[in-house]
Amino acid sequence: LAKTTQPISMDSYEGQEVNITCSHNNIATNDYITWYQQFPSQGPRFIIQGYKTKVTNEVASLFIPADRKSSTLSLPRVSLSDTAVYYCLVGAHDKIIFGKGTRLHILP
Amino acid sequence: DTEVTQTPKHLVMGMTNKKSLKCEQHMGHRAMYWYKQKAKKPPELMFVYSYEKLSINESVPSRFSPECPNSSLLNLHLHALQPEDSALYLCASSQGRGDGANVLTFGAGSRLTVL
Repeated sequence: LAKTTQPISMDSYEGQEVNITCSHNNIATNDYITWYQQFPSQGPRFIIQGYKTKVTNEVASLFIPADRKSSTLSLPRVSLSDTAVYYCLVGAHDKIIFGKGTRLHILP
Repeated sequence: DTEVTQTPKHLVMGMTNKKSLKCEQHMGHRAMYWYKQKAKKPPELMFVYSYEKLSINESVPSRFSPECPNSSLLNLHLHALQPEDSALYLCASSQGRGDGANVLTFGAGSRLTVL
C-alpha cells in the first residue's frame, strides 16, 4: 500500500484559495488518488478522485503531476464551513487505509 | 437512495452487555466496511465484506463480531467490550471497482460509550 504524507494542519482565511499537497512516492501504476473531507462526529465524505493531470468538479480541483508522486487538492474561495479534516488516500482496492489527514482551519 | 444508514446513533453499554450496531445501504454496492475512529484520529479499518463474505479482518479482537446477513445489511455485534473501545464506529460501502478507484460512501456513524 502506498503511504501518504500530508501537512498535519493548515490555516487560511475566508475567500482564499487553499491548496493541500499530499506526497505518495510509492504510488502503484493502477492506483487512483482520492480525497475525503470529514467534519467532527460525521463520516468522511468523498470530494474528488483522479489518476493523472487535472480533475475538477463543483467543489474542488485535483492536480496530479506526470510522475504521480504527489497531488494537490485545491479548494477555491473557502468559507468557514470548509473547516474540516481532509484525507488523501491512494489505491488500494478494498483495503482502504486512512492516513493522518490535514486539519484545515478557516478563519474569518 | 445514495445513503448509508447506521443505527443507533448513540449507544451506551456496560462491559458485560451484548449489543449490535447496524448498517444498511441500498445502492447495490458489493463491498461493506466497518471502521473505528477515536477522537482526533483517522478512521481505522476493522472489517471488509465483499459479496457478503468477510474478506479483510484487521486483527480485530473477537469481542467485535461482524455479520453480513445480505448484500444490503452489515452488523457489528459487541460483547464484553472495554472502556477503551469507546469510539465512533463508521460503516461504509463501495461499488468495489477492481482498478484501485474505489470510492467509499460513509454513514454518519454510531457513537459508542462503554462504561
